Amino acid sequence: KQEVTQIPAALSVPEGENLVLNCSFTDSAIYNLQWFRQDPGKGLTSLLLIQSSQREQTSGRLNASLDKSSGRSTLYIAASQPGDSATYLCAVLTQGGSEKLVFGKGTKLTVNP
Amino acid sequence: EPEVTQTPSHQVTQMGQEVILRCVPISNHLYFYWYRQILGQKVEFLVSFYNNEISEKSEIFDDQFSVERPDGSNFTLKIRSTKLEDSAMYFCASSEGQATSYEQYFGPGTRLTVT
Repeated sequence: KQEVTQIPAALSVPEGENLVLNCSFTDSAIYNLQWFRQDPGKGLTSLLLIQSSQREQTSGRLNASLDKSSGRSTLYIAASQPGDSATYLCAVLTQGGSEKLVFGKGTKLTVNP
Repeated sequence: EPEVTQTPSHQVTQMGQEVILRCVPISNHLYFYWYRQILGQKVEFLVSFYNNEISEKSEIFDDQFSVERPDGSNFTLKIRSTKLEDSAMYFCASSEGQATSYEQYFGPGTRLTVT
């Protein structure tokens, strides 16, 4: 059964800092991994999708990497801003015909001005 | 930019009542999903739907739950007899193609409170 873990659970940084959020998953047989942002009481905004054949994806100040064999992904945020404050979730789609994303519990990021 | 919409944003109901949560997926998307998030817990998969039938469901999705695509635009989740433990944020999602290759786009959610 796929399990997704995100460390740390919470992170507080000063504005301008570069930071890394971590995601690990127990079953490396995945189709893809998706990073989401969730603002308090709101829905999930898709940030990046990495296919299992890819090593990384970039969107603006965000860069996500995937090491499938070790069951890890990182989300790198460059030059953090207060507007980046949110909970960041990673989710994996496991091979075997499943259509369901399995989510981690998220990392709550606070960027202080 | 096209987005998934959900109504209502908040629904309060009494235990034992039926509720219908509504979603309008992105218009050219073919695959539809419901997930839920109990407060403080992980987002959990409920069901996926394609070509007018359920393609996968989780253990949570028991006989009290049903989904329907009543017309070309709406996708609904019905809970027949709500329980206190059904209180959660319910998210609808859609994707253009199979989840193996396409992102799932999520709506803003419906917060269901069962009293």
